[in-house]
Amino acid sequence: DGGITQSPKYLFRKEGQNVTLSCEQNLNHDAMYWYRQDPGQGLRLIYYSQIVNDFQKGDIAEGYSVSREKKESFPLTVTSAQKNPTAFYLCASLAGTNTGELFFGEGSRLTVL
Amino acid sequence: GENVEQHPSTLSVQEGDSAVIKCTYSDSASNYFPWYKQELGKRPQLIIDIRSNVGEKKDQRIAVTLNKTAKHFSLHITETQPEDSAVYFCAAATGTVSKLTFGTGTRLQVTL
Repeated sequence: DGGITQSPKYLFRKEGQNVTLSCEQNLNHDAMYWYRQDPGQGLRLIYYSQIVNDFQKGDIAEGYSVSREKKESFPLTVTSAQKNPTAFYLCASLAGTNTGELFFGEGSRLTVL
Repeated sequence: GENVEQHPSTLSVQEGDSAVIKCTYSDSASNYFPWYKQELGKRPQLIIDIRSNVGEKKDQRIAVTLNKTAKHFSLHITETQPEDSAVYFCAAATGTVSKLTFGTGTRLQVTL
């Protein structure tokens, strides 16, 4: 069953702790993305990667870090430097630059206590 | 960078009526405009898209129109049904569509 898997679905973190969100895809897509979704603010791009071992900052990269060591995996670390980390995080992959269709995971909801 | 504005933020229509959601974009070089639908508790999914060389595209009850001169595009849903209730996002991209900028979303509610 092809798709994008995010884990965990729900995560609670204490202030000052780093946390890593997992994103795995078996669609053989080159490009992967992390978005943050907040009520009334739509989807905002955190980081994206168009190829293994390369990634670019999106519009709200401060306080986040990523890696892309394998084509299938694009984990996101929410660091203690992120001032307002409580949010819903969506990972996505892109089938190709010609198709334009993003395939999203089911999301991870992070709550900082 | 690109800026996409979306209106209205909420929209309530009666079943069978039409719904229209509008978006404007700032970068005149943008050439790809998709629309995503996110049902409650689910992931966003592409429902229709349009490229800048086309003025209108239809798929059954949904259609998208693009006005490049005015830099705005709209989603039209006809004969709305309860299953159309969701949050709809517009987006815009320039060049190879590798980086999309999303609007803030419209929550559509279709009432019986």
